[in-house]
Amino acid sequence: GAGVSQTPSNKVTEKGKYVELRCDPISGHTALYWYRQSLGQGPEFLIYFQGTGAADDSGLPNDRFFAVRPEGSVSTLKIQRTERGDSAVYLCASSHSGLAGVRNTGELFFGEGSRLTVL
Amino acid sequence: QKEVEQNSGPLSVPEGAIASLNCTYSDRGSQSFFWYRQYSGKSPELIMFIYSNGDKEDGRFTAQLNKASQYVSLLIRDSQPSDSATYLCAVNSGGYQKVTFGTGTKLQVIP
Repeated sequence: GAGVSQTPSNKVTEKGKYVELRCDPISGHTALYWYRQSLGQGPEFLIYFQGTGAADDSGLPNDRFFAVRPEGSVSTLKIQRTERGDSAVYLCASSHSGLAGVRNTGELFFGEGSRLTVL
Repeated sequence: QKEVEQNSGPLSVPEGAIASLNCTYSDRGSQSFFWYRQYSGKSPELIMFIYSNGDKEDGRFTAQLNKASQYVSLLIRDSQPSDSATYLCAVNSGGYQKVTFGTGTKLQVIP
């Protein structure tokens, strides 16, 4: 498809389990972002990739959270030893980087999100 | 102090009125400013972006930026019930492209 694709759309897991959330960005977008959104809050920045490298991971809450983007396209957000406080909607977004002469408005294109519930 | 601050609302306006949404930001180095609309249960979608001081109009929407006051606003003219949503203010602090969002203002347009 033409948009950002996230899977799974819903994930219910038990406290202490490991979870992987996948994001497939818009083709050609080199910038990829992960955000977390709790009810009634705005999206909270987690990590930003430019190509394969994490340009800024300052938003990852602790070392239980890790994200990869090995080929500069699909990204996986990994959460170890999940806690009830990790329950939220995890949003992925992509954008043009502004490199290679592509006009970058800074617009983020969001996927539909992965709703994580930790019981 | 939060990086991007918004009144959470709800802001209720009658149909046909002007809705005024406000946002302040803390980083004076911020370069790009965005308004996203988020319907309940959906993902954010871009409404407006603005880079320069002053006003920018697009249809019923006007974004206003005042960098000296670190203030950005969104005006929605002739508000419609379909405008009822949460409006997120977002700021790009330049250098690279980290985009920071406010908590959002919930707008209710009453028919």
